[in-house]
Amino acid sequence: EAGVAQSPRYKIIEKRQSVAFWCNPISGHATLYWYQQILGQGPKLLIQFQNNGVVDDSQLPKDRFSAERLKGVDSTLKIQPAKLEDSAVYLCASSLATGVAKNIQYFGAGTRLSVL
Amino acid sequence: GESVGLHLPTLSVQEGDNSIINCAYSNSASDYFIWYKQESGKGPQFIIDIRSNMDKRQGQRVTVLLNKTVKHLSLQIAATQPGDSAVYFCAETPYTGGFKTIFGAGTRLFVKA
Repeated sequence: EAGVAQSPRYKIIEKRQSVAFWCNPISGHATLYWYQQILGQGPKLLIQFQNNGVVDDSQLPKDRFSAERLKGVDSTLKIQPAKLEDSAVYLCASSLATGVAKNIQYFGAGTRLSVL
Repeated sequence: GESVGLHLPTLSVQEGDNSIINCAYSNSASDYFIWYKQESGKGPQFIIDIRSNMDKRQGQRVTVLLNKTVKHLSLQIAATQPGDSAVYFCAETPYTGGFKTIFGAGTRLFVKA
């Protein structure tokens, strides 16, 4: 079974530029998550989709971050304009279901973003 | 507020010894807990989980203990191997109108050969 695919693996941009990340979840997984992981910290949820609808985006900085999941499969996360503090690894995860306590998430390798 | 923390940021053990990684959580509404392992350059990987109606759960070389009285979770790794070197995260899933997974800061495990 193929895992969660993310691209690119690395990205270096200057502040105020824009950047986009792509994620392809495990086939059949209805729920997709984007996390931000700053060095030395645990992942922090940015946004959670159930199919192509948003379940939780309470921690997404909506003035600069946006995400979409068209057709309930692939997803993109965009940052525009980027700030220095956005330097982090952006992880995508997927799970079979949401709305239940038992919810094992499967993660991609992440995109490491450096904002200079 | 909600938080999941770890007692030790780093742990160093000798190969073959047992490892114990601790985690404190603050949300009494949490019903489900997961331990994830993250190796360098990779995303977190599921290790083992436990529901709040259990005190202990065993997997292959790993055991998770849950003490709801003091809101404490631990991961025990038997006969630690070099391949176990990684950052370990505990995550809780409190019910706050929906189930949301909250990750702790992580513990880095070093295994000395």
